[in-house]
Amino acid sequence: GQQVMQIPQYQHVQEGEDFTTYCNSSTTLSNIQWYKQRPGGHPVFLIQLVKSGEVKKQKRLTFQFGEAKKNSSLHITATQTTDVGTYFCAGTLGPNFGNEKLTFGTGTRLTIIP
Amino acid sequence: EAGVAQSPRYKIIEKRQSVAFWCNPISGHATLYWYQQILGQGPKLLIQFQNNGVVDDSQLPKDRFSAERLKGVDSTLKIQPAKLEDSAVYLCASSFFSGLTLFTSYNEQFFGPGTRLTVL
Repeated sequence: GQQVMQIPQYQHVQEGEDFTTYCNSSTTLSNIQWYKQRPGGHPVFLIQLVKSGEVKKQKRLTFQFGEAKKNSSLHITATQTTDVGTYFCAGTLGPNFGNEKLTFGTGTRLTIIP
Repeated sequence: EAGVAQSPRYKIIEKRQSVAFWCNPISGHATLYWYQQILGQGPKLLIQFQNNGVVDDSQLPKDRFSAERLKGVDSTLKIQPAKLEDSAVYLCASSFFSGLTLFTSYNEQFFGPGTRLTVL
């Protein structure tokens, strides 16, 4: 079946350092979403990417969708303690009519050293 | 607006017992999802409803798990009988998509707080 892997599994950074998580799918995705889950919390939607090569920014967060639509990345510039949590990518396989299921990645857990 | 509601928040049962979880999605959201999240892993979709119809239940262990959304609003997920490996957080999510617009590319999911199930 479709698999969505993320690396690294864990990342510990000093506050102020940058952080990047990479998402790779075994099959082409029609779109990809990113979610953040704080410790003990539930996933919260961050963004959706649809177009090949698309780049979107949200303040210190930069999201990219690969040209082949099989990989994606999330980059955080100058991390803050509020960035702590697990970041999941979630992809949709096949044509997207809006209700296709998401396959979540394995997640990258970010911890910040003050 | 009110978020996705789930109950109970925590449940401890012994193996072979039964358990049920309840979810009330955001008002107006046509699509409802149940996910299983095992500690340290990403959420795994168990079942997806659009209104009161099942869109996908390919990963639902149908010999022990069942779910319904009879009136197209709230939903229940049941496990009978539970096994040790069912220990996980069960997340309910909803999204607006109504199926009326083709090629809609936006499908943000809103998650509830989850029910943490421990099977002893």
